Amino acid sequence: KAGVTQTPRYLIKTRGQQVTLSCSPISGHRSVSWYQQTPGQGLQFLFEYFSETQRNKGNFPGRFSGRQFSNSRSEMNVSTLELGDSALYLCASKEMNTEAFFGQGTRLTVV
Amino acid sequence: EDQVTQSPEALRLQEGESSSLNCSYTVSGLRGLFWYRQDPGKGPEFLFTLYSAGEEKEKERLKATLTKKESFLHITAPKPEDSATYLCAVQDNTGGFKTIFGAGTRLFVKA
Repeated sequence: KAGVTQTPRYLIKTRGQQVTLSCSPISGHRSVSWYQQTPGQGLQFLFEYFSETQRNKGNFPGRFSGRQFSNSRSEMNVSTLELGDSALYLCASKEMNTEAFFGQGTRLTVV
Repeated sequence: EDQVTQSPEALRLQEGESSSLNCSYTVSGLRGLFWYRQDPGKGPEFLFTLYSAGEEKEKERLKATLTKKESFLHITAPKPEDSATYLCAVQDNTGGFKTIFGAGTRLFVKA
């Protein structure tokens, strides 16, 4: 089975721009979660999608949004980028209530 | 509110020096507790799932145990290649099955 695939792997954006990150889950997995990881804050939960519906949401501002498509692929969008948004963004997929499997992440740098 | 606390933040061991990492958790209803290993710049790699107090899982030099309030990851005779950040996460059994991560323990094993 192919693992979780995140694209792009690296991204450099300017403050005020917006960015879209993509995640293709493991085949058959309907749940996709997004996390932000920074050295100071660790893994922070952004949101989870299951069968195209947002099931859970973390404590992030409305600039962070996501969606899931019928094939379970998911995208995450961040608008009006700030320097503090620089982080490793991780996507994880799982079956119903099992352990999650992570992608390699997208390293976003905001300058 | 669900909470996961890992200790110590960092641990330095000599090769062959066994030790344990701790994960204390507070959750309304535990669905599962997960351990992951993360290498720098990469996504977390799944290690174990524990579901109920008293359960133990082993994999090579690693052994995970679970009580009603905490989990331990025992590392027996570690090698330099075991150096990584070890993450603990809990999943509650309420609607949504959200997964919350601890900040991790950075393990350094010196030859």
